[in-house]
Amino acid sequence: GQNIDQPTEMTATEGAIVQINCTYQTSGFNGLFWYQQHAGEAPTFLSYNVLDGLEEKGRFSSFLSRSKGYSYLLLKELQMKDSASYLCAVRDRAGNMLTFGGGTRLMVKP
Amino acid sequence: NAGVMQNPRHLVRRRGQEARLRCSPMKGHSHVYWYRQLPEEGLKFMVYLQKENIIDESGMPKERFSAEFPKEGPSILRIQQVVRGDSAAYFCASSPPRSTTEAFFGQGTRLTVV
Repeated sequence: GQNIDQPTEMTATEGAIVQINCTYQTSGFNGLFWYQQHAGEAPTFLSYNVLDGLEEKGRFSSFLSRSKGYSYLLLKELQMKDSASYLCAVRDRAGNMLTFGGGTRLMVKP
Repeated sequence: NAGVMQNPRHLVRRRGQEARLRCSPMKGHSHVYWYRQLPEEGLKFMVYLQKENIIDESGMPKERFSAEFPKEGPSILRIQQVVRGDSAAYFCASSPPRSTTEAFFGQGTRLTVV
């Protein structure tokens, strides 16, 4: 089975940097995903890591350490529109379903 | 290329009625996943289907819930004799065959049982 943990809520200031952590314990691993979800909307894909290291995509970066079962999503130059829930998800070895954490609700304040 | 289409967006049912939720995957996608999301919670996997086949239904409740993905037409998630606890957002996601990257999500169907 899969167990994925991430903080429930975080608050940060516009223009700042925030790091959202995710730890996982899985019986199989075939990639870790981060999704953004605004209230009442569909999750949208942000990043994908399958090898250790940092993946950078504009203001967003994601890091993975498979040996530690750990990932983080780094958001730079925060904007008000970044206020949303950020979902960490692990894909099983078969490459089928995603198992999601409970999500981290980020509030960006002026 | 239209995204994943779900309908209806909102569905209200009385206790004991049936709810049918539809999902049309993106063009070229043959893998469909259904997830349920309760308020303030993450997404919980329900079922993974390919055309005419249920591949993994380990997240489906044993009773009242069923899913299908026929050769023609959308995938259907069916909930019989709904109860208040079934009230949630139901999201469908699709991916192409042999996908090694992300699944794309639809806008979801928000089911309210009154």
